[in-house]
Amino acid sequence: DADVTQTPRNRITKTGKRIMLECSQTKGHDRMYWYRQDPGLGLRLIYYSFDVKDINKGEISDGYSVSRQAQAKFSLSLESAIPNQTALYFCATSDSGTKSNQPQHFGDGTRLSIL
Amino acid sequence: GNSVTQMEGPVTLSEEAFLTINCTYTATGYPSLFWYVQYPGEGLQLLLKATKADDKGSNKGFEATYRKETTSFHLEKGSVQVSDSAVYFCALEGGSEKLVFGKGTKLTVNP
Repeated sequence: DADVTQTPRNRITKTGKRIMLECSQTKGHDRMYWYRQDPGLGLRLIYYSFDVKDINKGEISDGYSVSRQAQAKFSLSLESAIPNQTALYFCATSDSGTKSNQPQHFGDGTRLSIL
Repeated sequence: GNSVTQMEGPVTLSEEAFLTINCTYTATGYPSLFWYVQYPGEGLQLLLKATKADDKGSNKGFEATYRKETTSFHLEKGSVQVSDSAVYFCALEGGSEKLVFGKGTKLTVNP
């Protein structure tokens, strides 16, 4: 089983719909992140959470919200989807641990298309 | 702010060719530097990292050396294989525990 699981893997929906993307992890990490990937733009950070009570905006948070339901779960919502939110979305985790600069571990992504 | 610039692709090589993907960065202080790899249909995986100047990260035949004087972290491999075909991302972490990624370089290796 994957350590970082994203659901759904693919989703096609219409403009104006509310969408939730879910991420769960079995790695026991305290930190979780949501990114979007667009061709030619790399990955951009949407939101991140360093523990259950900590939520922070990233580079491109407008139009998105998140919920950290438990240490292992971090969901991303699009309140009213628009076509330019069509992208590949990744969840990632990392461990604060005793060392800094711990690597991030990524899920396999959710491909979201908004018509 | 912190930023990463990496060589634009796509890059196409024949098997056993030498690979270099250039990466330069802008950051205050002393960032940690990473290379991640994304195989088709998958998420990103850490390939290698370096946390201080002159450190060399290495993994699976890939190497990169943290050069503070040139603010660079170029990825190299002496002999690429078809299985190395993927998208490669250079990234930095500048003390905020957040990664800043380059735009990615797609590598295709032909047999």
